[in-house]
Amino acid sequence: DTGVSQNPRHKITKRGQNVTFRCDPISEHNRLYWYRQTLGQGPEFLTYFQNEAQLEKSRLLSDRFSAERPKGSFSTLEIQRTEQGDSAMYLCASSLEGNYGYTFGSGTRLTVV
Amino acid sequence: GENVEQHPSTLSVQEGDSAVIKCTYSDSASNYFPWYKQELGKGPQLIIDIRSNVGEKKDQRIAVTLNKTAKHFSLHITETQPEDSAVYFCAASMTGNTPLVFGKGTRLSVIA
Repeated sequence: DTGVSQNPRHKITKRGQNVTFRCDPISEHNRLYWYRQTLGQGPEFLTYFQNEAQLEKSRLLSDRFSAERPKGSFSTLEIQRTEQGDSAMYLCASSLEGNYGYTFGSGTRLTVV
Repeated sequence: GENVEQHPSTLSVQEGDSAVIKCTYSDSASNYFPWYKQELGKGPQLIIDIRSNVGEKKDQRIAVTLNKTAKHFSLHITETQPEDSAVYFCAASMTGNTPLVFGKGTRLSVIA
């Protein structure tokens, strides 16, 4: 197993465009999390899934953000009408329910110009 | 909701010295306290964690202590090496796989 995989690693987009990121968790993990990290800050929780069910969404997740995990495996995070304030590292993590701790991917760095 | 504060924000130590990073949390319902190390361009990596039913845990040069009454926990790194240089984050959550609330991080520099 190669761990949590995120694609793309970097994305530069113009303000107003839509972007989509993908996360492939560790195969046996049934929980998947999305976090956002801005420069000099700790990761901030956005949303998480257990299998295909989205269990919780943070207030940070505005209506321009949507996340899916249609088959309980990979997940996508879409940002519509991007704004400069969306520039950040978007981190995905996964875990196995009942176990402690989770594994992060290397993130997708988004730059909105 | 939970709030985690972390100090100091930057820390420089000489190689071989010890480093201590401290965190406080606000929600007494939190029971799980991990520490993550993040190197440039990478995601956070779990280095050690502690649950509320123990006061101390050690793994080679790294140890974590927890005081539930005072709501604070600390990371101790002994015999620091240049490869320990990174940003360290503390976090708290109710269980081991519910959403984590992170501190703002400590940039540790180990000077050879």
